[in-house]
Amino acid sequence: SAVISQKPSRDICQRGTSLTIQCQVDSQVTMMFWYRQQPGQSLTLIATANQGSEATYESGFVIDKFPISRPNLTFSTLTVSNMSPEDSSIYLCSVEPGQGYEQYFGPGTRLTVT
Amino acid sequence: DAKTTQPPSMDCAEGRAANLPCNHSTISGNEYVYWYRQIHSQGPQYIIHGLKNNETNEMASLIITEDRKSSTLILPHATLRDTAVYYCIVRVAGGNEKLTFGTGTRLTIIP
Repeated sequence: SAVISQKPSRDICQRGTSLTIQCQVDSQVTMMFWYRQQPGQSLTLIATANQGSEATYESGFVIDKFPISRPNLTFSTLTVSNMSPEDSSIYLCSVEPGQGYEQYFGPGTRLTVT
Repeated sequence: DAKTTQPPSMDCAEGRAANLPCNHSTISGNEYVYWYRQIHSQGPQYIIHGLKNNETNEMASLIITEDRKSSTLILPHATLRDTAVYYCIVRVAGGNEKLTFGTGTRLTIIP
C-alpha cells in the first residue's frame, strides 16, 4: 500500500495566477499520475510523471498550462498556470507501488478560481 | 482500453447485498476488471480486481462471467458508509498503466 498526502488541501485563487500542488508518497514509486475532477464529473488523467524524465501528457493537456516536476521517487508537483474559472476542479495524484496492480490516490486539492 | 457501461445510479437497503453490474463487451484477453469507489470529496479507493476467476476480499466479491463480457461487484452487507460512486475499469494489469474512469454508478444505501 501507499500513503499519499497533498498540499494544499484547498485554495481559492484569482484568475491569471498560478498554483503549485504538492504530492508526497511514503514509499518510492516509479510513476505518479495526476488527475483532474471537474465539478460533478468523473476523473480525467492529466499526465503521467516518471522520475528522471519529462511527464507524458494526455490529449487536451499541455506542459505550458500544467507543468509537472518529479525530482525524486517520493515527490511530485503539478502547477496550474494562468488560471481561469474553468480550472476550478479537484486535482488528485495517484501511485501504483510494487506489483499489487492497484493504484492509491491522494485526498485531492480542491481549487476554486475566481 | 476497453469501454465499460454502468447504470448511473442504484439504491440498496442497509444490511442487504449491493450488486453493481458492469458491461465490458470489448475487453481484451490481457485486460483485468478493476473496481474503485469514490466517497464524496475523497480520492478514489481501490476495491478489487480480477481477470477471469471470481475474486473475494475483505471489502467485496467480484463475479466475472465466463465470456468476460460483464461482471458484478457485490458488497455483501451494505452499510451507510458504502454510499459512493463506484467505477468499473478495464485495463492491462501492472506496468503502471493508466486508469480511464467512466461515469460510474452512484450507489445510495438507504437506512
